[in-house]
Amino acid sequence: GESVGLHLPTLSVQEGDNSIINCAYSNSASDYFIWYKQESGKGPQFIIDIRSNMDKRQGQRVTVLLNKTVKHLSLQIAATQPGDSAVYFCAESNTDKLIFGTGTRLQVFP
Amino acid sequence: NAGVMQNPRHLVRRRGQEARLRCSPMKGHSHVYWYRQLPEEGLKFMVYLQKENIIDESGMPKERFSAEFPKEGPSILRIQQVVRGDSAAYFCASSLGSGDEQFFGPGTRLTVL
Repeated sequence: GESVGLHLPTLSVQEGDNSIINCAYSNSASDYFIWYKQESGKGPQFIIDIRSNMDKRQGQRVTVLLNKTVKHLSLQIAATQPGDSAVYFCAESNTDKLIFGTGTRLQVFP
Repeated sequence: NAGVMQNPRHLVRRRGQEARLRCSPMKGHSHVYWYRQLPEEGLKFMVYLQKENIIDESGMPKERFSAEFPKEGPSILRIQQVVRGDSAAYFCASSLGSGDEQFFGPGTRLTVL
Protein backbone atom coordinates (compact mmCIF):
# COMPACT_ATOMS: atom_id res chain seq x y z
CA GLY A 1 0.00 0.00 0.00
CA GLU A 2 0.94 3.68 -0.18
CA SER A 3 1.23 6.01 2.75
CA VAL A 4 2.05 9.66 3.19
CA GLY A 5 3.27 11.10 6.42
CA LEU A 6 6.02 13.23 7.84
CA HIS A 7 8.60 11.20 5.98
CA LEU A 8 8.83 10.13 2.36
CA PRO A 9 5.72 8.44 0.99
CA THR A 10 6.36 4.72 0.85
CA LEU A 11 5.14 2.13 -1.60
CA SER A 12 5.41 -1.47 -0.46
CA VAL A 13 5.11 -4.20 -3.09
CA GLN A 14 5.66 -7.91 -3.22
CA GLU A 15 8.51 -9.26 -5.31
CA GLY A 16 7.27 -10.02 -8.80
CA ASP A 17 4.39 -7.55 -8.71
CA ASN A 18 4.30 -4.40 -10.81
CA SER A 19 4.99 -1.03 -9.15
CA ILE A 20 3.56 2.32 -10.10
CA ILE A 21 5.12 5.48 -8.70
CA ASN A 22 3.40 8.79 -9.31
CA CYS A 23 4.60 12.35 -9.50
CA ALA A 24 2.92 15.71 -10.02
CA TYR A 25 5.06 18.41 -11.58
CA SER A 26 4.59 22.11 -11.20
CA ASN A 27 5.63 23.95 -14.34
CA SER A 28 3.49 23.56 -17.46
CA ALA A 29 6.39 24.96 -19.50
CA SER A 30 8.70 22.07 -18.54
CA ASP A 31 9.60 20.04 -21.60
CA TYR A 32 11.86 17.31 -20.27
CA PHE A 33 11.24 14.85 -17.45
CA ILE A 34 13.47 12.26 -15.84
CA TRP A 35 13.06 9.51 -13.28
CA TYR A 36 15.98 8.86 -10.93
CA LYS A 37 16.64 6.03 -8.51
CA GLN A 38 18.61 6.79 -5.36
CA GLU A 39 19.94 4.07 -3.11
CA SER A 40 21.02 4.81 0.42
CA GLY A 41 24.29 6.74 0.54
CA LYS A 42 24.52 7.13 -3.23
CA GLY A 43 23.82 9.75 -5.85
CA PRO A 44 20.75 9.70 -8.10
CA GLN A 45 20.94 7.21 -10.94
CA PHE A 46 19.19 7.88 -14.25
CA ILE A 47 16.39 5.42 -15.05
CA ILE A 48 14.41 6.80 -17.95
CA ASP A 49 13.44 10.14 -19.46
CA ILE A 50 10.69 11.54 -21.65
CA ARG A 51 10.22 14.74 -23.60
CA SER A 52 6.99 16.68 -23.67
CA ASN A 53 6.21 15.70 -27.27
CA MET A 54 5.64 12.12 -26.10
CA ASP A 55 3.18 10.56 -23.66
CA LYS A 56 4.81 7.17 -23.16
CA ARG A 57 8.29 5.74 -23.29
CA GLN A 58 9.46 2.24 -22.50
CA GLY A 59 12.74 0.90 -21.30
CA GLN A 60 13.86 -2.40 -19.89
CA ARG A 61 11.19 -3.30 -17.29
CA VAL A 62 10.30 0.38 -16.88
CA THR A 63 7.72 2.59 -18.54
CA VAL A 64 7.20 6.31 -18.07
CA LEU A 65 3.83 7.92 -18.76
CA LEU A 66 3.34 11.65 -19.15
CA ASN A 67 -0.02 13.40 -18.88
CA LYS A 68 0.54 17.05 -19.68
CA THR A 69 -3.12 17.94 -19.20
CA VAL A 70 -2.97 17.26 -15.46
CA LYS A 71 0.82 17.65 -15.13
CA HIS A 72 1.31 14.09 -14.00
CA LEU A 73 4.17 11.68 -14.50
CA SER A 74 4.30 8.03 -13.55
CA LEU A 75 6.93 5.31 -13.47
CA GLN A 76 5.89 1.72 -13.91
CA ILE A 77 8.28 -1.06 -12.93
CA ALA A 78 7.40 -4.53 -14.15
CA ALA A 79 8.16 -7.64 -12.10
CA THR A 80 9.62 -5.66 -9.22
CA GLN A 81 12.78 -7.14 -7.72
CA PRO A 82 14.48 -6.66 -4.33
CA GLY A 83 17.20 -4.66 -6.09
CA ASP A 84 14.56 -2.10 -7.06
CA SER A 85 14.24 -1.04 -3.43
CA ALA A 86 15.29 2.60 -3.30
CA VAL A 87 13.92 6.14 -3.31
CA TYR A 88 12.59 7.27 -6.67
CA PHE A 89 12.51 10.92 -7.73
CA CYS A 90 10.93 12.55 -10.71
CA ALA A 91 12.61 15.68 -12.04
CA GLU A 92 11.45 18.31 -14.51
CA SER A 93 13.48 20.70 -16.59
CA ASN A 94 12.72 23.54 -18.92
CA THR A 95 16.06 25.24 -18.65
CA ASP A 96 19.29 23.61 -17.61
CA LYS A 97 18.48 23.02 -13.98
CA LEU A 98 16.51 20.08 -12.69
CA ILE A 99 13.63 20.51 -10.25
CA PHE A 100 13.17 17.38 -8.19
CA GLY A 101 9.99 16.09 -6.63
CA THR A 102 9.85 14.93 -3.02
CA GLY A 103 10.47 11.28 -3.79
CA THR A 104 8.81 7.93 -3.08
CA ARG A 105 10.43 5.10 -1.16
CA LEU A 106 9.87 1.72 -2.81
CA GLN A 107 10.10 -1.28 -0.51
CA VAL A 108 10.06 -4.74 -2.05
CA PHE A 109 9.28 -7.67 0.22
CA PRO A 110 9.51 -11.38 -0.61
CA ASN B 1 35.33 5.53 -18.05
CA ALA B 2 35.31 7.24 -14.69
CA GLY B 3 32.05 8.82 -13.68
CA VAL B 4 31.61 12.05 -11.80
CA MET B 5 34.01 12.15 -8.88
CA GLN B 6 33.42 14.01 -5.66
CA ASN B 7 35.66 14.41 -2.67
CA PRO B 8 35.69 14.19 0.16
CA ARG B 9 32.81 11.75 0.55
CA HIS B 10 32.34 12.79 4.16
CA LEU B 11 33.34 16.09 5.70
CA VAL B 12 32.98 17.17 9.32
CA ARG B 13 33.36 20.80 10.26
CA ARG B 14 32.78 22.85 13.38
CA ARG B 15 30.60 25.92 13.25
CA GLY B 16 32.49 28.85 11.77
CA GLN B 17 34.94 26.79 9.75
CA GLU B 18 35.12 26.63 5.98
CA ALA B 19 34.04 23.68 3.85
CA ARG B 20 35.44 22.99 0.39
CA LEU B 21 33.73 20.40 -1.76
CA ARG B 22 35.30 19.22 -5.00
CA CYS B 23 33.76 17.81 -8.15
CA SER B 24 35.51 16.38 -11.18
CA PRO B 25 33.07 16.00 -14.07
CA MET B 26 32.98 13.07 -16.44
CA LYS B 27 35.64 13.15 -19.12
CA GLY B 28 34.64 15.50 -21.89
CA HIS B 29 31.90 17.21 -19.86
CA SER B 30 32.19 20.96 -19.47
CA HIS B 31 28.88 21.63 -17.68
CA VAL B 32 28.66 21.19 -13.91
CA TYR B 33 25.71 21.50 -11.56
CA TRP B 34 25.58 21.50 -7.76
CA TYR B 35 22.57 20.32 -5.76
CA ARG B 36 21.86 20.05 -2.03
CA GLN B 37 19.81 17.32 -0.39
CA LEU B 38 18.44 17.37 3.13
CA PRO B 39 17.39 14.02 4.71
CA GLU B 40 14.11 12.65 3.36
CA GLU B 41 13.90 15.40 0.72
CA GLY B 42 14.58 15.80 -2.98
CA LEU B 43 17.63 17.51 -4.39
CA LYS B 44 17.53 21.30 -4.62
CA PHE B 45 19.40 23.07 -7.41
CA MET B 46 22.12 25.46 -6.30
CA VAL B 47 24.31 26.52 -9.22
CA TYR B 48 25.17 25.71 -12.83
CA LEU B 49 28.64 26.40 -14.18
CA GLN B 50 30.56 26.01 -17.38
CA LYS B 51 34.31 26.35 -17.57
CA GLU B 52 35.24 29.67 -15.93
CA ASN B 53 31.63 30.90 -15.99
CA ILE B 54 28.68 30.84 -13.63
CA ILE B 55 25.59 30.39 -15.78
CA ASP B 56 22.83 30.19 -13.17
CA GLU B 57 23.28 30.67 -9.43
CA SER B 58 19.63 31.23 -8.60
CA GLY B 59 19.67 28.44 -6.00
CA MET B 60 22.73 29.63 -4.11
CA PRO B 61 22.32 31.36 -0.75
CA LYS B 62 23.39 34.97 -1.10
CA GLU B 63 25.97 34.80 1.65
CA ARG B 64 28.78 32.39 2.60
CA PHE B 65 28.35 30.15 -0.48
CA SER B 66 30.41 30.39 -3.65
CA ALA B 67 31.24 28.13 -6.56
CA GLU B 68 33.82 28.05 -9.27
CA PHE B 69 34.82 25.87 -12.20
CA PRO B 70 38.29 26.92 -13.32
CA LYS B 71 39.83 26.26 -16.69
CA GLU B 72 41.96 23.55 -15.13
CA GLY B 73 40.97 21.35 -12.22
CA PRO B 74 37.76 20.42 -10.46
CA SER B 75 34.74 22.52 -9.67
CA ILE B 76 34.74 23.79 -6.08
CA LEU B 77 31.75 24.56 -3.87
CA ARG B 78 32.91 26.67 -0.96
CA ILE B 79 30.94 27.32 2.20
CA GLN B 80 32.38 29.88 4.57
CA GLN B 81 31.59 30.10 8.29
CA VAL B 82 29.48 26.96 8.24
CA VAL B 83 26.42 26.67 10.46
CA ARG B 84 24.53 23.56 11.57
CA GLY B 85 21.87 24.20 8.93
CA ASP B 86 24.48 23.62 6.22
CA SER B 87 24.61 19.93 7.17
CA ALA B 88 23.39 18.06 4.10
CA ALA B 89 24.47 15.92 1.19
CA TYR B 90 25.89 17.96 -1.67
CA PHE B 91 25.73 16.39 -5.11
CA CYS B 92 27.51 17.41 -8.25
CA ALA B 93 26.32 16.47 -11.74
CA SER B 94 27.90 16.99 -15.12
CA SER B 95 26.65 16.98 -18.69
CA LEU B 96 28.19 17.04 -22.13
CA GLY B 97 26.24 20.07 -23.21
CA SER B 98 23.39 22.32 -22.27
CA GLY B 99 20.17 20.34 -21.83
CA ASP B 100 21.91 16.97 -22.04
CA GLU B 101 21.52 14.19 -19.49
CA GLN B 102 23.06 15.00 -16.14
CA PHE B 103 25.21 12.34 -14.51
CA PHE B 104 25.49 12.53 -10.73
CA GLY B 105 28.43 11.92 -8.47
CA PRO B 106 28.25 10.00 -5.17
CA GLY B 107 27.91 13.18 -3.12
CA THR B 108 29.70 14.77 -0.18
CA ARG B 109 28.01 14.46 3.17
CA LEU B 110 28.75 17.53 5.23
CA THR B 111 28.20 17.43 8.96
CA VAL B 112 28.54 20.63 10.96
CA LEU B 113 29.08 20.12 14.67
